Amino acid sequence: QKEVEQNSGPLSVPEGAIASLNCTYSDRVSQSFFWYRQYSGKSPELIMSIYSNGDKEDGRFTAQLNKASQYVSLLIRDSQPSDSATYLCAVIQGAQKLVFGQGTRLTINP
Amino acid sequence: DAGITQSPRHKVTETGTPVTLRCHQTENHRYMYWYRQDPGHGLRLIHYSYGVKDTDKGEVSDGYSVSRSKTEDFLLTLESATSSQTSVYFCAISEWEGGGQPQHFGDGTRLSIL
Repeated sequence: QKEVEQNSGPLSVPEGAIASLNCTYSDRVSQSFFWYRQYSGKSPELIMSIYSNGDKEDGRFTAQLNKASQYVSLLIRDSQPSDSATYLCAVIQGAQKLVFGQGTRLTINP
Repeated sequence: DAGITQSPRHKVTETGTPVTLRCHQTENHRYMYWYRQDPGHGLRLIHYSYGVKDTDKGEVSDGYSVSRSKTEDFLLTLESATSSQTSVYFCAISEWEGGGQPQHFGDGTRLSIL
């Protein structure tokens, strides 16, 4: 079992709809969770951090964490073509070591 | 943007040659990391540093060495480059404030070993 798993996609969503990205992790003691966005040919960019169970909202983005189910998700409301990118889920394990999922490629169709 | 500069941004070299990649930060962050990113494998940690002269291995450290003689610089060296080390290399930094801090990435170095 991989430490951090994501559906690789591609996930195709119409413009204006909600995009839902999911991630599961194996280390039950993990406490810090992140979502990064990576455009093709660019570096990963941090878009959300979440540390507690529940929802955290930032603009059109909502991160959801359920530690009992070892599940993290990212919702993108009112999806825009500029949201088309690969989204990486990352979990801190041990001393500040990030473990990444393989990423979900998201395409927003105009 | 986090003050992280990677150099060179692109490099093409031949098998068996030594290669050094540099990561320079202006944030005075304690932690620095080197990753490689390959299709089908995602981002994988090569080495990381938790202070000057303090380094440790990641999951794919074979064939790589690192050095950190100053807080701001973290060097990644391929002593004798192989074609399997063709990849995009990212440097990242993070602060240590009780743990759980995110990492911020440099723009990457695209390395091709022929």
